[in-house]
Amino acid sequence: DVKVTQSSRYLVKRTGEKVFLECVQDMDHENMFWYRQDPGLGLRLIYFSYDVKMKEKGDIPEGYSVSREKKERFSLILESASTNQTSMYLCASSLLVDRWVLVGTDTQYFGPGTRLTVL
Amino acid sequence: DQQVKQNSPSLSVQEGRISILNCDYTNSMFDYFLWYKKYPAEGPTFLISISSIKDKNEDGRFTVFLNKSAKHLSLHIVPSQPGDSAVYFCAANLGGGGTSYGKLTFGQGTILTVHP
Repeated sequence: DVKVTQSSRYLVKRTGEKVFLECVQDMDHENMFWYRQDPGLGLRLIYFSYDVKMKEKGDIPEGYSVSREKKERFSLILESASTNQTSMYLCASSLLVDRWVLVGTDTQYFGPGTRLTVL
Repeated sequence: DQQVKQNSPSLSVQEGRISILNCDYTNSMFDYFLWYKKYPAEGPTFLISISSIKDKNEDGRFTVFLNKSAKHLSLHIVPSQPGDSAVYFCAANLGGGGTSYGKLTFGQGTILTVHP
């Protein structure tokens, strides 16, 4: 079974603090993703990475940065937390898909989420 | 611009009946679709998927239907059980050749409540 773990289930921080959210997967997946989930807005992609040290902006990258120093670990960083970053943060991973030979699928596997509250 | 839309925020169904969750998309380049289920305080879990070369995929009580001309997919759950009560997200991935980084576009989610 694919296992994706996140460093904290619940986190409370103050405005202006630097916040680190860690994600680790144990299935040797190339792709890793950070989403936030807000009521009525679904899952919105913040950043993703398809290889060590590689990162791509998602749909809402403002106010966030990421780090991927090892294949199994993908970190989300809030440089200066603000109240509008209060949300559920979800990490996911998936295999790299070679569509020419139809190897792999686009299925993403999610961690349990971190509920972040910024006061 | 919401490329994947779930227009029903919630659905309530009696146990044993059919649940039908709907999803519409606007980008004709999407070629792989997935449904995820999410319980409160947990991450989404993969439920079922369908490739654009098919119009139906079945897995036990769950069936996904794809209507490419209407850019519409639906998830049928028969029979519905109270344990199916959760938020359901549909998601889509862009096609094209070469390497896919697996980037998915998600809908807003539909809260399904199955009453005993």
